[in-house]
Amino acid sequence: QLQLQESGPGLVKPSETLSLTCTISGGPIKSDFWTWLRQPPGKGLEWIGSIYQTGSPTYNSSLKSRVSISLDASKNQVSLSLSSVTTADTAVYYCARWGQPWNYYFDYWGRGTLVAVSS
Amino acid sequence: DIQMTQSPSSLSASVGDRVTITCQASQDISNFLNWYQQKPGKVPKVLIYDASNLATGVPSRFSGSGSGTHFTFTISGLQPEDVATYYCQVYDNVPRFTFGPGTKVDIK
Repeated sequence: QLQLQESGPGLVKPSETLSLTCTISGGPIKSDFWTWLRQPPGKGLEWIGSIYQTGSPTYNSSLKSRVSISLDASKNQVSLSLSSVTTADTAVYYCARWGQPWNYYFDYWGRGTLVAVSS
Repeated sequence: DIQMTQSPSSLSASVGDRVTITCQASQDISNFLNWYQQKPGKVPKVLIYDASNLATGVPSRFSGSGSGTHFTFTISGLQPEDVATYYCQVYDNVPRFTFGPGTKVDIK
């Protein structure tokens, strides 16, 4: 059973870079699609980007200029970096697995971590 | 990018009522659409995948239909534990993903 755990600072200042790590346990990560999503307080879900080890990451076009996702298979970790943050980036950030090719849906999720952008 | 509209944005219904939510895609997405349930303070959970397939362990009162650009999600007999926000989610072959804005379901 896979378990995902997001970690990182809960508070980031405007214009700085938000950095989060997702640590996956219960299985190797190199054969799967790993995804970051976010949910501002009281609002809906937004896809940030995904990574598969053998390919380039894919990003939401609205965030593409500010986001970077990387994968470290040796540590079983997926990382998110979002630069030049504003208060609009305040959200719960989730790490999830896109279950392709077995399940074409997000089948494993972390519990999420709240990141507030504030001075 | 694929855009999704979802309606209604919220609804209130009685226990036992039939509840229907619709999602419309901005382009033909075949059946590449999933439905998730998110209870307050919880992580989203898939209920329906590929438009009409019931995920493992999900009660049969939940169902989905549609293809192309128009999709429907139904709860046939609303239960108190179904109070949640429901999201449609589409994907393409890259894959890239888009969520609908959500429908909040309450008990009247």
